[in-house]
Amino acid sequence: DAGVTQSPTHLIKTRGQHVTLRCSPISGHKSVSWYQQVLGQGPQFIFQYYEKEERGRGNFPDRFSARQFPNYSSELNVNALLLGDSALYLCASSFDPYNEQFFGPGTRLTVL
Amino acid sequence: GQNIDQPTEMTATEGAIVQINCTYQTSGFNGLFWYQQHAGEAPTFLSYNVLDGLEEKGRFSSFLSRSKGYSYLLLKELQMKDSASYLCAVRSRFYNTNAGKSTFGDGTTLTVKP
Repeated sequence: DAGVTQSPTHLIKTRGQHVTLRCSPISGHKSVSWYQQVLGQGPQFIFQYYEKEERGRGNFPDRFSARQFPNYSSELNVNALLLGDSALYLCASSFDPYNEQFFGPGTRLTVL
Repeated sequence: GQNIDQPTEMTATEGAIVQINCTYQTSGFNGLFWYQQHAGEAPTFLSYNVLDGLEEKGRFSSFLSRSKGYSYLLLKELQMKDSASYLCAVRSRFYNTNAGKSTFGDGTTLTVKP
């Protein structure tokens, strides 16, 4: 079975642009969470979706938004990019919000 | 809010045993997870504790004491490939929602030497 997949793997943007990151969960998993990981720190929770509804949101500005589609895949959108948004963006899927999460390989975003 | 503390770095010798501690403060505790993360890669799930006690999984064991807000990850028979960052994560329940938010520590970088 395929694990969690994310696209793209790497992305370079300039300040002020917007970006869309994509995630496909493990087959049968209905919950997707998004995390931001800056070098040297642990992942920081951004959003959790379950059954296509937002179930949790971390301390991130409104420039960050996400959605989950009927096939349980998900998109993370970031508007008006700042230099500080440069990070590894991780998607994690789980059967439901309380089971163990399995991480995708991440998208490395660089904002110049 | 939530606060998770774990040592920044540890060094151990191949074949030895190492214990990585994690202390946490949280409301609505709903489980503690340990992940391994090699440089440049995504975290991989190692263990999950929701009740007090020891969970053993091959060379890895994890212990939880909810009353003390304390967990440790025990790695036995260390191998060079165990050199990685080990992340402690606490899952808590969002107030009034059916969701589990995971808060991660900054990780413990373990270096295994020959």
